[in-house]
Amino acid sequence: GDSVTQMEGPVTLSEEAFLTINCTYTATGYPSLFWYVQYPGEGLQLLLKATKADDKGSNKGFEATYRKETTSFHLEKGSVQVSDSAVYFCEGGNEKLTFGTGTRLTIIP
Amino acid sequence: ETGVTQTPRHLVMGMTNKKSLKCEQHLGHNAMYWYKQSAKKPLELMFVYSLEERVENNSVPSRFSPECPNSSHLFLHLHTLQPEDSALYLCASSPRAQSSYNEQFFGPGTRLTVL
Repeated sequence: GDSVTQMEGPVTLSEEAFLTINCTYTATGYPSLFWYVQYPGEGLQLLLKATKADDKGSNKGFEATYRKETTSFHLEKGSVQVSDSAVYFCEGGNEKLTFGTGTRLTIIP
Repeated sequence: ETGVTQTPRHLVMGMTNKKSLKCEQHLGHNAMYWYKQSAKKPLELMFVYSLEERVENNSVPSRFSPECPNSSHLFLHLHTLQPEDSALYLCASSPRAQSSYNEQFFGPGTRLTVL
């Protein structure tokens, strides 16, 4: 079945560093791909999404590009802030969407 | 209220207790979900309801019993739980079930501790 593989955490970065969290998928055709974020004490919320190859999703300075050739949807941000500290989940699939294991990100001042 | 709400936010129960978790969505969605989030484990999809009909049950023990009386409300009835059932239980909704275009909207979760 469809699956996503996400970079294991935790990840600790200094403020203003560049962030990449890797996500690759295994699925037939053109699955939809999502990144969700979970702040402490809250549920998950959608960060960005892409539904077809070469689409770029972006929100709050985060970006991810749907790359069919590498079956990837890596999350990037050019300059992270302390407020970006959270757990990030990649999700994808065709009819049945599956979540990655989550990557805990901590940004230190 | 807007979005997806869950009550209670925290629950402590003994192994012989019976309790229920409640989820309500104010988004007009047709699908609702229960997830279990445990420390150091992937997010586990437990149940999916579409238009009040259960469409997915992922080998969840019978001590967890879902109920969906209408498309806005979802319950998870708990009885004779085990300590390993302690986790954050998340409810979510989406416009339709089993569609790859669906963004899911999550509630804040109920933190359950089983003593």
